[in-house]
Amino acid sequence: EVHLVESGGGVVRPGGSLRLSCAASGFTFDDYAMSWVRQAPGKGLEWISGINWNGGSSRYADSVKGRFTISRDNAKKSLYLQLSSLRAEDTAFYYCARGLRSGPLVWGHGTLVTVSS
Amino acid sequence: DIQMTQSPSSLSASVGDSVTITCQASQDISKYLNWYQQKLGTAPKVLIYDASKLERGVPSRFSGSGSGTYFTFTISSLQPEDIATYYCQQYDTLPITFGQGTRLEIK
Repeated sequence: EVHLVESGGGVVRPGGSLRLSCAASGFTFDDYAMSWVRQAPGKGLEWISGINWNGGSSRYADSVKGRFTISRDNAKKSLYLQLSSLRAEDTAFYYCARGLRSGPLVWGHGTLVTVSS
Repeated sequence: DIQMTQSPSSLSASVGDSVTITCQASQDISKYLNWYQQKLGTAPKVLIYDASKLERGVPSRFSGSGSGTYFTFTISSLQPEDIATYYCQQYDTLPITFGQGTRLEIK
């Protein structure tokens, strides 16, 4: 069974930084591209970043481009998202998901990031 | 970016009713559309992938159809456990984009 567990969320001040991690199990991690999707409280889903199987290619939504960085470590079966220059509007649940442009996303349980002074 | 227009934004129906949600893409996405169910406080879960394929383990009362720019999602006989928000999602072109969601309530 696919299992994705996010960690690293918390409360951070505007302008601050945070690193999210996602530990994967139950599938061959380096066979898959991966994504991060976020959801502001009470709002819809927003894809924010994706990375190919070996980390050689990544893409970002315009809303986070230049502030967030996605990476992965296939040896550790882990996905990461470095969040910088955080704004109040970045407050959201952040979900790690298996997949990008092939088939449906399979989601972790999410981690909450709150940007507040 | 491809815009996904989902309607209605909310829906109230009785147990046993058939309900349909539509999703329109701003350009041709072939069959590259998924439907997700999100129950309160949980992560989304895929129900339908590639527009019409039922995910393993998902009840057969859920179905999807369409291709190109127009898609539908149907629950044939609504059950109390179907209370959730439903989202369409295209993966034809990056960035991946989602519909705005349909909140389904039971009358």
